[in-house]
Amino acid sequence: AQKVTQAQTEISVVEKEDVTLDCVYETRDTTYYLFWYKQPPSGELVFLIRRNSFDEQNEISGRYSWNFQKSTSSFNFTITASQVVDSAVYFCALSEARGGSQGNLIFGKGTKLSVKP
Amino acid sequence: GAGVSQSPSNKVTEKGKDVELRCDPISGHTALYWYRQSLGQGLEFLIYFQGNSAPDKSGLPSDRFSAERTGGSVSTLTIQRTQQEDSAVYLCASSFYGTGYGYTFGSGTRLTVV
Repeated sequence: AQKVTQAQTEISVVEKEDVTLDCVYETRDTTYYLFWYKQPPSGELVFLIRRNSFDEQNEISGRYSWNFQKSTSSFNFTITASQVVDSAVYFCALSEARGGSQGNLIFGKGTKLSVKP
Repeated sequence: GAGVSQSPSNKVTEKGKDVELRCDPISGHTALYWYRQSLGQGLEFLIYFQGNSAPDKSGLPSDRFSAERTGGSVSTLTIQRTQQEDSAVYLCASSFYGTGYGYTFGSGTRLTVV
């Protein structure tokens, strides 16, 4: 069965600190996709990144970076020099491959990040 | 429109009544998904439509829940005989088949059953 675990329920940091959000997943599939979404207080889920299981290269986008390690089934997300606007709930998600496409998303419970000024 | 549109944004209904929630996906997106987000329960998959294939209904919590997608576009999620535990935010998402752009979510419908 597929499962996504985000062990950190809530994290609080002070602005400009770096913070890493952990994500561990379980799947029997060899082809799968991993995602991170941001849900700010407004409620809408904002897509951040999608990574397929064959691409273990780390990714950096501005202050955001992602570390994908198949050996530990982890897909961690780091925010460098955090800002108040980063305050949100962050969800890690997993989807299986279905005929070359992606199936439904299995979400972790989310990590609520609070960045204080 | 440019994004996934859901209506209504808020719905208050009396226990036992039926409700219909609507989702307009992004034009051209072949896949459409419904999720439910409850306090303390995270995001729960409900149903998935992909093109003309039979929908994946494996996440529907009971037979009071049903959904249809007409013409491969608009989808309606129907909850019959609503219960208080149905209170949640219902989110719709759409995506292209086989692309790397992720799923685009709507703003959701907040359903309150009183």
